[in-house]
Parts: sequence; C-alpha cells; structure tokens
Amino acid sequence: NAGVTQTPKFQVLKTGQSMTLQCAQDMNHEYMSWYRQDPGMGLRLIHYSVGAGITDQGEVPNGYNVSRSTTEDFPLRLLSAAPSQTSVYFCGVRGQGLGNSPLHFGNGTRLTVT
Amino acid sequence: AQKVTQAQTEISVVEKEDVTLDCVYETRDTTYYLFWYKQPPSGELVFLIRRNSFDEQNEISGRYSWNFQKSTSSFNFTITASQVVDSAVYFCALVKAAGNKLTFGGGTRVLVKP
Repeated sequence: NAGVTQTPKFQVLKTGQSMTLQCAQDMNHEYMSWYRQDPGMGLRLIHYSVGAGITDQGEVPNGYNVSRSTTEDFPLRLLSAAPSQTSVYFCGVRGQGLGNSPLHFGNGTRLTVT
Repeated sequence: AQKVTQAQTEISVVEKEDVTLDCVYETRDTTYYLFWYKQPPSGELVFLIRRNSFDEQNEISGRYSWNFQKSTSSFNFTITASQVVDSAVYFCALVKAAGNKLTFGGGTRVLVKP
C-alpha cells in the first residue's frame, strides 16, 4: 500500500520551462492538495480538490495550474517556471472532513528553477 | 483569516533535556482543529496529533505532551527527556471545522545534541 506517491523526487528546470509534478494516491480519498515549503514560511497551500472535477485555489496559486480528472491523481503544472518557484512541494491527502482526519503527505518533490 | 505563529525558529538542547515548542494561533472561528507535524531530516511530514477546539484536555503520548489553552490561543508541545531522534522541524497547523485550508506555522527546528 503506497499511500501518497509523488514524482519526481528532484527536478531542475530552467526559467520558462514547463513541467508537471505528479501526485497519486491509493487511499480512495476525496481531498487532495498541493503545498509548497519554503524556509521560515512553513507550508503554504497552492491548490486543492475535494473530488474529481472540482478544484480551488489556496493561498499561493499564481503560476500553478491543477486539474482532477480521477480520484487517484492530482497533478500540479508549472506552465512557465520562475526562480521564485524553487521550493519543496508536498501533496497532501485526507478523507472527508479535514477536521476529522489529518493530511497524509507524500515524500515531496524538490524543485530548483535556475 | 487564520494565522499560526511559531516564534521559535530553532531550539538547541542536549540529550535528556526537556524542550517546549510554542504555537500561538489566530482565528475567528469558534470550532477548529489544531495539528502538530514532525519533519525529520529525511524530509517527510509525519502527523503527530490532532486537537479540536472543544477539547482542552492535555494529552500525553510517551515522551510527547501537548498543552492546549484556548484562553491564550496556544497549543504548545513538549518533548520530555529529548533524544537525538527528536531532531526535526516541527510544524503547528490550524483549520476551521469543515474547512479545506490547513494553515501552517513557520516551523521550529529542534536540534538535540548527544
């Protein structure tokens, strides 16, 4: 049982390149989310989804796109990478009712934009 | 808007000392949930505890204990008799009941020296 799987683990991009960070879960949970972690700022919510076909913005959505076509997958797209997007990205998953269950996170993707 | 403040950015202790991590939060909601997560040097995020706003009982789990005081909007975390394996970054987080946006503090790095 893999839980939450993020790929790739590491990525280096040049400014202006595009890429997709993958998040897959096998827990059949409805809620999926993307956070970025920057030194001293904790984790900040980028986008989230409460089910297939439903997405919404978090605290720092600019520069990122998401879609949710299946329960299992929630990819995060960077259309034109910028150095400010250098960060560690975490995908978090939970069952219904955030207050009743904690987020389970993947192991993260470390992205460097040069 | 919600806010979580972890004023201590880094704490260094010698093994077997106790260490307390402060977490102060702001929210206008009357019902909410608080969390603590641990991020060891390997980078994954590990859920430690969840507390709802109606339950002000302190909780102890092995060497870990949590002190929730609604009157001062604090949810502090104490590690008793610290060990080297406790070295990690610890995050406090907050979400309103039925909410979808988990707000994290900036984290406190704990370094336990042998």
